[in-house]
Amino acid sequence: AQSVTQPDIHITVSEGASLELRCNYSYGATPYLFWYVQSPGQGLQLLLKYFSGDTLVQGIKGFEAEFKRSQSSFNLRKPSVHWSDAAEYFCAVGARGTYKYIFGTGTRLKVLA
Amino acid sequence: DVKVTQSSRYLVKRTGEKVFLECVQDMDHENMFWYRQDPGLGLRLIYFSYDVKMKEKGDIPEGYSVSREKKERFSLILESASTNQTSMYLCASSSSSPLGEQFFGPGTRLTVL
Repeated sequence: AQSVTQPDIHITVSEGASLELRCNYSYGATPYLFWYVQSPGQGLQLLLKYFSGDTLVQGIKGFEAEFKRSQSSFNLRKPSVHWSDAAEYFCAVGARGTYKYIFGTGTRLKVLA
Repeated sequence: DVKVTQSSRYLVKRTGEKVFLECVQDMDHENMFWYRQDPGLGLRLIYFSYDVKMKEKGDIPEGYSVSREKKERFSLILESASTNQTSMYLCASSSSSPLGEQFFGPGTRLTVL
């Protein structure tokens, strides 16, 4: 069965520091991969997605993610975090040939001034 | 600007009441989804619909039903609300490509007393 693991429930970084949020998935083939961000009291907004091709994907707000097939990972990175990046981040897997998405449990990011 | 709207941001109901949550999208998307979001559990799929009058159960359909009479509107119904249905409910839509990006509404925080 497909699954998504975000091993870090909470992460705290200082403003200006680099960020990496981890995502591991279990799926029999190459999945569609997504990162979403949820600001407090809001719905989810897509940061970036991977369907195929270049394994390094650029997204909005300066985020990027790298698909590593050998590690079944799709980690999200940002070189310099801003206070406005404080939010909850969700990794999601889409099973090809279905309508189904599976979400991780989320990582809550806190940014220190 | 593409949009998914939900009828209420906050809702308080009593145990046993019938509850309707409405979702409308303006993107002419074929697919629509209802999730519930609980701390530490991420997003769990309740139901989804891939066409008008078509629906499929998600991972946690018990206690819920849905209705899709028009392409742009997807309703979630709690036939007899219970306290364990207190949660954040998120609606999303996507194109039929399949598994295009999901667009999310702002959510409805439902409290059942």
